[in-house]
Amino acid sequence: DGGITQSPKYLFRKEGQNVTLSCEQNLNHDAMYWYRQDPGQGLRLIYYSQIVNDFQKGDIAEGYSVSREKKESFPLTVTSAQKNPTAFYLCASSILGAPYGYTFGSGTRLTVV
Amino acid sequence: DAKTTQPPSMDCAEGRAANLPCNHSTISGNEYVYWYRQIHSQGPQYIIHGLKNNETNEMASLIITEDRKSSTLILPHATLRDTAVYYCIVRVGTNAGKSTFGDGTTLTVKP
Repeated sequence: DGGITQSPKYLFRKEGQNVTLSCEQNLNHDAMYWYRQDPGQGLRLIYYSQIVNDFQKGDIAEGYSVSREKKESFPLTVTSAQKNPTAFYLCASSILGAPYGYTFGSGTRLTVV
Repeated sequence: DAKTTQPPSMDCAEGRAANLPCNHSTISGNEYVYWYRQIHSQGPQYIIHGLKNNETNEMASLIITEDRKSSTLILPHATLRDTAVYYCIVRVGTNAGKSTFGDGTTLTVKP
C-alpha cells in the first residue's frame, strides 16, 4: 500500500542537540511539506519542496533545515538554534498539477529535555 | 494563500447532520477550498475539496456559496467516530505553496 511514513513516532533529545526526523513516501508525489503543531493549535508550515534539490521556507523556518536529495524523502533537522523544539511534527505530500489534497504521515512527537 | 475563519467548537447529536462553517472572504479565483480532519495525536485526513460547485463523496458534502466567500462541510449522519478537529484551508490546488491551517473547529459528537 502506498503511503507516507514518519519515524520515529516518539523522540527524546537533550537540549542543544540537533535531531533529524525522517519522512518517506512511496506515492510518487512531487511535493512534500513539514508542519509543526503545538498543543491545542493548528498546523504551521516549516518548509516545503516541489522538486528534488529545491525547497522553500514556510512561516516558521528559523531553527530548522531540510534536504530533498530523493523524490521519496524529505528529512527535517531540528537544530539547537530552535528555541522551543518540543512539538508534534507532521510531514505531508501532494501531487502537483492537480488539485488533490495532502496526504499526511502519522507524525513524530519530539520532546527536548 | 487566503486565510480562513472557523468557530472554535461545535456539538452535534449522534445520527444528526453536522454542519461546519468556514469563512474565506479573501479567496482568489484559482484557490480551492479543502477540508481535513484530525483525530487526536494523528495526522490530518483529507475529506473533500471544491472550487465553486458543491461536491459530495462518501465521507461528506461541501457546499460553497455563489460568491465563494464561505463554505459548509456537512457530515450527513454524524457518529461518535466523527469527533475530531476539522480544518478548512484554501490554496491553489495545482501548486505547492504556503497553506495555513488555522486552529480549526473541534466537533464533539454526543450520544
